[in-house]
Amino acid sequence: ETGVTQTPRHLVMGMTNKKSLKCEQHLGHNAMYWYKQSAKKPLELMFVYNFKEQTENNSVPSRFSPECPNSSHLFLHLHTLQPEDSALYLCASSQGGPGEGYTFGSGTRLTVV
Amino acid sequence: EDQVTQSPEALRLQEGESSSLNCSYTVSGLRGLFWYRQDPGKGPEFLFTLYSAGEEKEKERLKATLTKKESFLHITAPKPEDSATYLCAVQAGDSGYSTLTFGKGTMLLVSP
Repeated sequence: ETGVTQTPRHLVMGMTNKKSLKCEQHLGHNAMYWYKQSAKKPLELMFVYNFKEQTENNSVPSRFSPECPNSSHLFLHLHTLQPEDSALYLCASSQGGPGEGYTFGSGTRLTVV
Repeated sequence: EDQVTQSPEALRLQEGESSSLNCSYTVSGLRGLFWYRQDPGKGPEFLFTLYSAGEEKEKERLKATLTKKESFLHITAPKPEDSATYLCAVQAGDSGYSTLTFGKGTMLLVSP
């Protein structure tokens, strides 16, 4: 266990469904991140929350909606997704300062059918 | 724009055959260069952080080095359990907070 827990581990959803991904960190970190990992591509930063405030939205389509109710929890709400949104979605946390690395969760493997 | 290029894309080694992975980067003021290991179906696992040219760090069979333009991950006498994808990431100095830019990774396969 890394201290960052993601649920569910696997998710299959239809294009008209609404689902949510959950991330919880037990490390006392101040910043949390959502990344998308697709085959043959580098990790793509989606959203950043620093002290519960969203500080970056990397031109992500509105069908992805993040929520950060406190510094330990992060959600990614999904609705009307497309098949090309199928990927591994990774949550990470860090102290947020310069030179600080991330601690990643195990990811949610999402398949949109 | 920060850029990270890793080579080769894939590398196959025999057990005990040492080699190096490369990470070339372009950033405006490097705050840190990070190496991660990722196993299939799992999240990246932190290995090293390097902060300045000339710095080196070691962990078991792995040694990471840093110059002003690139980093190398040297693998000495690898074992099959070293098989994984190795990711390189940089953090730039013009960021107000800690965001990392990743390369595509090098997929390493070590055969017995």
